[in-house]
Amino acid sequence: KAGVTQTPRYLIKTRGQQVTLSCSPISGHRSVSWYQQTPGQGLQFLFEYFSETQRNKGNFPGRFSGRQFSNSRSEMNVSTLELGDSALYLCASNSGLGHNEQFFGPGTRLTVL
Amino acid sequence: QKEVEQNSGPLSVPEGAIASLNCTYSDRGSQSFFWYRQYSGKSPELIMFIYSNGDKEDGRFTAQLNKASQYVSLLIRDSQPSDSATYLCAVNLGSGGYQKVTFGTGTKLQVIP
Repeated sequence: KAGVTQTPRYLIKTRGQQVTLSCSPISGHRSVSWYQQTPGQGLQFLFEYFSETQRNKGNFPGRFSGRQFSNSRSEMNVSTLELGDSALYLCASNSGLGHNEQFFGPGTRLTVL
Repeated sequence: QKEVEQNSGPLSVPEGAIASLNCTYSDRGSQSFFWYRQYSGKSPELIMFIYSNGDKEDGRFTAQLNKASQYVSLLIRDSQPSDSATYLCAVNLGSGGYQKVTFGTGTKLQVIP
């Protein structure tokens, strides 16, 4: 069974640009969560999608957005990049069973210059 | 008060000893509790979850949950240098597949050979 895939693995952008990150969950999982991880703030929840609908959203500005497609693949977009957006962006595939374990992808390391 | 609190460490233990990692949470309605291991530069890996009061054992790992006192702990027996990593505690307030997961900032564990 394939794990969670995220592309690209590394990105370097400049301030003001926008970026789109992609995540493919584990086959059969219909829910995806996105997190931002920085050394100072730890893992911060961005949003969760289930069956193409955003079910939950964290406390991030509107520059951060996402969507989910019918095949459960998800994308997140960050517009008007700021230096503080430099982080590891993690996608988690949610089992939706029992107590809903999360399985993380390898992450996308975004550097904003 | 942070929703999920962990001592950042580092916690240093000699090889073969028991490592004890602790986590407290603020929301009494929390349903499920997870421990993740994260090696430097890697994404979090789920190692244990628990949702009932008491102990849950899996190999060298034991998770302990006390809902009345609002704490969850992870014991690692016979610690090995390969256990050196940051351990993240996560708490899920949601249920029935709905995710509302909050992570602690992690405890760095160092196992000294």
